[in-house]
Amino acid sequence: KNEVEQSPQNLTAQEGEFITINCSYSVGISALHWLQQHPGGGIVSLFMLSSGKKKHGRLIATINIQEKHSSLHITASHPRDSAVYICAVSGGETSGSRLTFGEGTQLTVNP
Amino acid sequence: DSGVTQTPKHLITATGQRVTLRCSPRSGDLSVYWYQQSLDQGLQFLIQYYNGEERAKGNILERFSAQQFPDLHSELNLSSLELGDSALYFCASSTDGTRANEQFFGPGTRLTVL
Repeated sequence: KNEVEQSPQNLTAQEGEFITINCSYSVGISALHWLQQHPGGGIVSLFMLSSGKKKHGRLIATINIQEKHSSLHITASHPRDSAVYICAVSGGETSGSRLTFGEGTQLTVNP
Repeated sequence: DSGVTQTPKHLITATGQRVTLRCSPRSGDLSVYWYQQSLDQGLQFLIQYYNGEERAKGNILERFSAQQFPDLHSELNLSSLELGDSALYFCASSTDGTRANEQFFGPGTRLTVL
């Protein structure tokens, strides 16, 4: 079993829909990261969370430390949100600051 | 633009060859991480350097080596290349390499081994 599990693997939505991507992890962590990978391959850091909730524009990330679960929400989705969204964790006792990644969620938003 | 640069962007080479990938971290960042993204294994951590010293090692093959220079740029050397080494190689940097530090990714180097 992977240390970081994401669901769903693939998600297709219509423009304007509210989107949720989930991430569960099985190890102790210091931080959880949400990353976006564009079709061209580049990776952008969206959020780093240790607790609670963060919001940036139409993106919201939450984390529940007790349940070892995080969600990434996109409100009023747009075709330009189409990308792979990757959950990663860092700061475990043996893993230090390296990132351990989930398999990613491929999001397609249709106009 | 993350401020992390990687060269070259694309590299095509043959089996058995040796290549060097280069990474310059964001100004002021002391820690550099190398990650490999392949179709079958996803994103995996290879190695981390902090202020010139190796800090952590992941799933890095013995044929691969890395170093970080006094000006903080880093190089990843891949030798005796095999077809399975074809992948996207990312470097990322962070300020101090502690456990809860945001990492900023370079654009990646796409390596194709023929």
